[in-house]
Amino acid sequence: GENVEQHPSTLSVQEGDSAVIKCTYSDSASNYFPWYKQELGKGPQLIIDIRSNVGEKKDQRIAVTLNKTAKHFSLHITETQPEDSAVYFCAASIEDTGRRALTFGSGTRLQVQP
Amino acid sequence: SAVISQKPSRDICQRGTSLTIQCQVDSQVTMMFWYRQQPGQSLTLIATANQGSEATYESGFVIDKFPISRPNLTFSTLTVSNMSPEDSSIYLCSVDPVGRGSYNEQFFGPGTRLTVL
Repeated sequence: GENVEQHPSTLSVQEGDSAVIKCTYSDSASNYFPWYKQELGKGPQLIIDIRSNVGEKKDQRIAVTLNKTAKHFSLHITETQPEDSAVYFCAASIEDTGRRALTFGSGTRLQVQP
Repeated sequence: SAVISQKPSRDICQRGTSLTIQCQVDSQVTMMFWYRQQPGQSLTLIATANQGSEATYESGFVIDKFPISRPNLTFSTLTVSNMSPEDSSIYLCSVDPVGRGSYNEQFFGPGTRLTVL
């Protein structure tokens, strides 16, 4: 089955700096890669996703890149703000099949220092 | 996205008892999923709740321990049976938005934080 590895486990940055979180996946058939943000005491919130037919996607300060050949994808947050502090999870799955379970990475705790 | 609520938000239970967690969505959805998140850990899929048929369980999870109901397109329950301290976790339901034909874009409820003494 799919295995998703996520690095780093913790990340501390100064407000205004950029943050990058990286994930690798094992199943070359995976074609859908979402990122979730989980704040303390809340459920994960989908913040951005990418499908395998594109290499990059942006939404304001957030961007995700995908390298299918290397089987890795990354989350980039620019101009970080204290409210970006949370745990971030990457995930991978195969769309358009009978079993589309998301496999999650282990999470990255991001701390943005004001 | 859909608005998802869960009840209870948290509970403290004695070992050997059972707890039923409810998940309510404000719109009809094709698929509902139940996840477990152990303290400080990632999310693990327990099962997919299918409307009109039995739930589909992932490896390591069985119906006797985690019975699931899905009576309609907006509601599901997960029961954690014969609880032990190892069942202490956050239990999350998630849904896929109806009409998109893909149940990969999953949106999560706020979770139920369960502590078993």
